Amino acid sequence: EDQVTQSPEALRLQEGESSSLNCSYTVSGLRGLFWYRQDPGKGPEFLFTLYSAGEEKEKERLKATLTKKESFLHITAPKPEDSATYLCAVRTQGGSEKLVFGKGTKLTVNP
Amino acid sequence: GAGVSQTPSNKVTEKGKYVELRCDPISGHTALYWYRQSLGQGPEFLIYFQGTGAADDSGLPNDRFFAVRPEGSVSTLKIQRTERGDSAVYLCASSLIQYTGELFFGEGSRLTVL
Repeated sequence: EDQVTQSPEALRLQEGESSSLNCSYTVSGLRGLFWYRQDPGKGPEFLFTLYSAGEEKEKERLKATLTKKESFLHITAPKPEDSATYLCAVRTQGGSEKLVFGKGTKLTVNP
Repeated sequence: GAGVSQTPSNKVTEKGKYVELRCDPISGHTALYWYRQSLGQGPEFLIYFQGTGAADDSGLPNDRFFAVRPEGSVSTLKIQRTERGDSAVYLCASSLIQYTGELFFGEGSRLTVL
């Protein structure tokens, strides 16, 4: 069974304190790993797609990387507005178009 | 607005009642998805439409759940004989091109079954 595990469940940072979120996956053939951001009461918002080990994507203070077993979302010098839940999802071979999501990491950045 | 629109935003019903949740995707998006999200969990896949047809309904939990998209645009998720365990936020998403994971989500319909 395809599984996505995110850690930590929650993370508190001070503004400017860089850190990383982890997404580990066990799937039967990866066809893409995706990062989303979700604010309270809102739907998830797409951030990145990664397809192969070694691939990296960047957007403002966020950088996503991928290995054969996990992905990291690095947050550099975060600001309070980066506070949100970050969701990782995978699409797998034989899984049609469905995404399998992890439970997310709730990030709080204090000013 | 140009985003995915879901109605109602909030629905409270009694156990055993019938519920319909509506999704208006972004204009021109051919792929439409329904997910369900419980508190503290990630979204859970329910069904995927490509055009008018359900290409994958493997996530529907049982035969009380049904979804349609008759004209390839608006979709309705229908839940019969609701149970307390159906309480969750039902999220709709659409995408312009299939085979990408770049989905545009609506804000969801929060369903509470008393």
